[in-house]
Amino acid sequence: GAGVSQSPRYKVAKRGQDVALRCDPISGHVSLFWYQQALGQGPEFLTYFQNEAQLDKSGLPSDRFFAERPEGSVSTLKIQRTQQEDSAVYLCASSLGGITYEQYFGPGTRLTVT
Amino acid sequence: DQQVKQNSPSLSVQEGRISILNCDYTNSMFDYFLWYKKYPAEGPTFLISISSIKDKNEDGRFTVFLNKSAKHLSLHIVPSQPGDSAVYFCAASGTSYDKVIFGPGTSLSVIP
Repeated sequence: GAGVSQSPRYKVAKRGQDVALRCDPISGHVSLFWYQQALGQGPEFLTYFQNEAQLDKSGLPSDRFFAERPEGSVSTLKIQRTQQEDSAVYLCASSLGGITYEQYFGPGTRLTVT
Repeated sequence: DQQVKQNSPSLSVQEGRISILNCDYTNSMFDYFLWYKKYPAEGPTFLISISSIKDKNEDGRFTVFLNKSAKHLSLHIVPSQPGDSAVYFCAASGTSYDKVIFGPGTSLSVIP
């Protein structure tokens, strides 16, 4: 079966541009997570959805970051007015349930802001 | 203030020998721990987990040990194989959390 897919795989944006990153979770997975991974670091939690409800957005670094999952499946992470410090790999993961369920990660989107 | 620490950025081991990857955490509220493995240009994949009610969990060549009093866990890979060469992330969570906190990772190289 298909795993978690993310698109685009690579994105180059000029500073100040808006970007939208897409995540297609595994069908039937209730939970969806977004992480930001800087070079040489581990994934850092951004936000968490259970179905269409965004239960935790405490990791979003600023109000320029916005995530949605309107129908409880596909999710989009939007970054407005991108800055150089936003350059990172953005990982999406999905799972059958809560935290103790295995999270399946997508390959990530590498965002470079020039 | 890193809540999950992996103090060895890299580790090299001969094929067939044991690999031991270490992890320390600071938050005593964590009660669920995971190890993920990551190859270049791929997302992390789940390897093994342990709940705080246990001190050991084994799955084939992989064993995770948890020492709650020391807030320390370790992943043992025996015997190590070249295909095990990857970055290993230690992660922690808890029943009172809805997020997983990852460490910075340890890059393991298994030399044939």
